[in-house]
Amino acid sequence: GENVEQHPSTLSVQEGDSAVIKCTYSDSASNYFPWYKQELGKRPQLIIDIRSNVGEKKDQRIAVTLNKTAKHFSLHITETQPEDSAVYFCAATKYNFNKFYFGSGTKLNVKP
Amino acid sequence: DTEVTQTPKHLVMGMTNKKSLKCEQHMGHRAMYWYKQKAKKPPELMFVYSYEKLSINESVPSRFSPECPNSSLLNLHLHALQPEDSALYLCASSHPGQGEFNYGYTFGSGTRLTVV
Repeated sequence: GENVEQHPSTLSVQEGDSAVIKCTYSDSASNYFPWYKQELGKRPQLIIDIRSNVGEKKDQRIAVTLNKTAKHFSLHITETQPEDSAVYFCAATKYNFNKFYFGSGTKLNVKP
Repeated sequence: DTEVTQTPKHLVMGMTNKKSLKCEQHMGHRAMYWYKQKAKKPPELMFVYSYEKLSINESVPSRFSPECPNSSLLNLHLHALQPEDSALYLCASSHPGQGEFNYGYTFGSGTRLTVV
């Protein structure tokens, strides 16, 4: 099966700085990579996703990049704000398959 | 309606009790999921229903029994649970993977279960 590794486990940045979270996956057939944000005591929420036919996707201050050859994908948050503080999970899955493989999570702390 | 609604939000039950968790969505999603999440851990898949049929059971103990009465509802029946089953139980829904596309989940707010 798929194995998704996520780093770092914790990340502290100063407000306004950028944050980068990296994930690697093992199954070259995986073709869909969503990112979820989970605030304390709340549900995971989909913030951005990327499919394997695209190398980069942006949505305002967040972006995701995908390197299929190296089998890794990254979440980039620019101009971080205190409300970005949360746990972020990456995930991977493949064509016509409903099981998502989650990374272990990154706790992001944005210091004012 | 773009939400997945879970009830109850909190549940405390004894090890001999029988209880049920309920999940409802009206987004037309035909895949529904139960996840278990322990503190500071990622969600852990338990069951997947696709078009109202159980398609994935991640070797979950029989004290957890899922049910999908129709395309909008998903239940999780609980019986003879153990204290280690205490966790946040998340329901999610999505369009099933179709062709080359897959779609992200919409998660419910979860039921925080405590087994005493």
